[in-house]
Amino acid sequence: QKEVEQDPGPLSVPEGAIVSLNCTYSNSAFQYFMWYRQYSRKGPELLMYTYSSGNKEDGRFTAQVDKSSKYISLFIRDSQPSDSATYLCAIFNTNAGKSTFGDGTTLTVKP
Amino acid sequence: DVKVTQSSRYLVKRTGEKVFLECVQDMDHENMFWYRQDPGLGLRLIYFSYDVKMKEKGDIPEGYSVSREKKERFSLILESASTNQTSMYLCASSLRTEGALSNEKLFFGSGTQLSVL
Repeated sequence: QKEVEQDPGPLSVPEGAIVSLNCTYSNSAFQYFMWYRQYSRKGPELLMYTYSSGNKEDGRFTAQVDKSSKYISLFIRDSQPSDSATYLCAIFNTNAGKSTFGDGTTLTVKP
Repeated sequence: DVKVTQSSRYLVKRTGEKVFLECVQDMDHENMFWYRQDPGLGLRLIYFSYDVKMKEKGDIPEGYSVSREKKERFSLILESASTNQTSMYLCASSLRTEGALSNEKLFFGSGTQLSVL
């Protein structure tokens, strides 16, 4: 079993839709929770990160963590064609000093 | 603006060749990482380094080695390239946090798409 499981997608939504991207994890030692966005033929870039249960908002993006269920989500409101990318969840283990990534979900937002 | 530069965008090599992938960062980061990215398998950590001359095995180190002679440069070496090493290779760096080995925020290069024929 993978340490981080991500809903595979792909997802295709119309412009303006609310998007939900989800991951589950198995290791309770994981302490930081990140979302990276990767455009085609580019490296991933850090979009959001949090270390506690609850919600963290940044513009149209909300990262949600539920440590009791080992479940993390990224919500995108009013999705735009420029949001079309692959989204990777990543979970950082401070003790090991490294991140473990989900496989990624490819999102297409159609105008 | 922070920058991680990978020397080649596309690379085609033959089976058995020795391959060098170079990565340079200009952020004075202590930590550097090499990942490979494959469809359906996500990002997998090959090797990482917390300091000059230091290296640690990641999850899939077999068939690879690394070199970190200078803080800003981290090289991935395929000693004898094989077809199953055809992949997208991503270099990343991060800052060391006080009291911890590493920091959770990774900065990635644009990747090197390696094809081994």
